[in-house]
Amino acid sequence: AQSVTQPDIHITVSEGASLELRCNYSYGATPYLFWYVQSPGQGLQLLLKYFSGDTLVQGIKGFEAEFKRSQSSFNLRKPSVHWSDAAEYFCAVGAFQGAQKLVFGQGTRLTINP
Amino acid sequence: EPEVTQTPSHQVTQMGQEVILRCVPISNHLYFYWYRQILGQKVEFLVSFYNNEISEKSEIFDDQFSVERPDGSNFTLKIRSTKLEDSAMYFCASRAELAGYTFGSGTRLTVV
Repeated sequence: AQSVTQPDIHITVSEGASLELRCNYSYGATPYLFWYVQSPGQGLQLLLKYFSGDTLVQGIKGFEAEFKRSQSSFNLRKPSVHWSDAAEYFCAVGAFQGAQKLVFGQGTRLTINP
Repeated sequence: EPEVTQTPSHQVTQMGQEVILRCVPISNHLYFYWYRQILGQKVEFLVSFYNNEISEKSEIFDDQFSVERPDGSNFTLKIRSTKLEDSAMYFCASRAELAGYTFGSGTRLTVV
């Protein structure tokens, strides 16, 4: 069965500092990987996705993620965070084709210190 | 850019009442999904729908829930007799073959 683990429930970083949010997945086939961001009371905004090709993926808002098959990981990074990045971040795994569902991790809540 | 549209954005209902949450997926998409997010928790899969039938459903999706695509454009989630624990944000999603999942902005359901 597919699953996603986000080991960090809550992370606090200072504004301007670098950020890395961890994501590990378990999937029986070639995974289709996603990162979403959610502000309080809002919907899910897609930051980036990966299925194949260059394992370093660029997304919106200056985020990037690196796929490492050997580690079953898809960590999200940003070189310098802004106060507006404070939100909940969800990693998810699905399939590239078919009706396969998208499975989400527990989420990581990001707090930014001024 | 095409969007998945959900209505209403917020619905308040009394316990025991039936509610229907509505979604208009992107027109050329083939696969449709409902997810639920209880406040402060993870996004949970409820059901997937393809070719006018349920492809997969979770343990949450019991006999109180049903889905329908009545007219080729709308995709609805019905909860027959709401309970307090059904209070959550409900997200609809759709996808085309060989493409990503597009989510709607959600319906916040409050059961009182």
